[in-house]
Amino acid sequence: SAVISQKPSRDICQRGTSLTIQCQVDSQVTMMFWYRQQPGQSLTLIATANQGSEATYESGFVIDKFPISRPNLTFSTLTVSNMSPEDSSIYLCSVAVPDRGTYEQYFGPGTRLTVT
Amino acid sequence: GQQLNQSPQSMFIQEGEDVSMNCTSSSIFNTWLWYKQDPGEGPVLLIALYKAGELTSNGRLTAQFGITRKDSFLNISASIPSDVGIYFCAGRRNTGTASKLTFGTGTRLQVTL
Repeated sequence: SAVISQKPSRDICQRGTSLTIQCQVDSQVTMMFWYRQQPGQSLTLIATANQGSEATYESGFVIDKFPISRPNLTFSTLTVSNMSPEDSSIYLCSVAVPDRGTYEQYFGPGTRLTVT
Repeated sequence: GQQLNQSPQSMFIQEGEDVSMNCTSSSIFNTWLWYKQDPGEGPVLLIALYKAGELTSNGRLTAQFGITRKDSFLNISASIPSDVGIYFCAGRRNTGTASKLTFGTGTRLQVTL
């Protein structure tokens, strides 16, 4: 597995502002993923982040709203831009690591965002 | 996007009881995973299944990959209070690092003494 940390762990933000969430891994990984988990809901993939290339966004998510950086093999950031109360969610990063002969995703602890 | 349907949505059980939950899909997956999420934490991988019909155990947890490849089941034997949490199934169509996971709707488990 991998040890994954996220900063901040939680934040309360005003609408119209932006928040950048950091994800740090204790080993080099090729693929990192960002998910959103709305209150009481399941996980929805926002985008897949490859080091050195543009992130690949899922349907319903756009780069202007959720810009992602992936400057090296152990770090990524997700920015939630121009926030509204509907952006209140838990944001989770995950990494694909070698496991059981293939690659499996392990998750960070999440960033709990409340937008007022 | 697609979500996998999990049943039941929530359950209250007594300590020591066995628990069964399932996950169904309208399409085929080649890998099934089960995660548990504790409050305030990220999901933790419990069991991974890679072959139709496969039965895999992890302590008191046993999971099965359905023969049709459209479903999976998780059983917890002799439940204890720390089993409380939300259990998510996840399916993956392809192998490799770029393969996306599709998550289920979750089963919330509460255990009473």
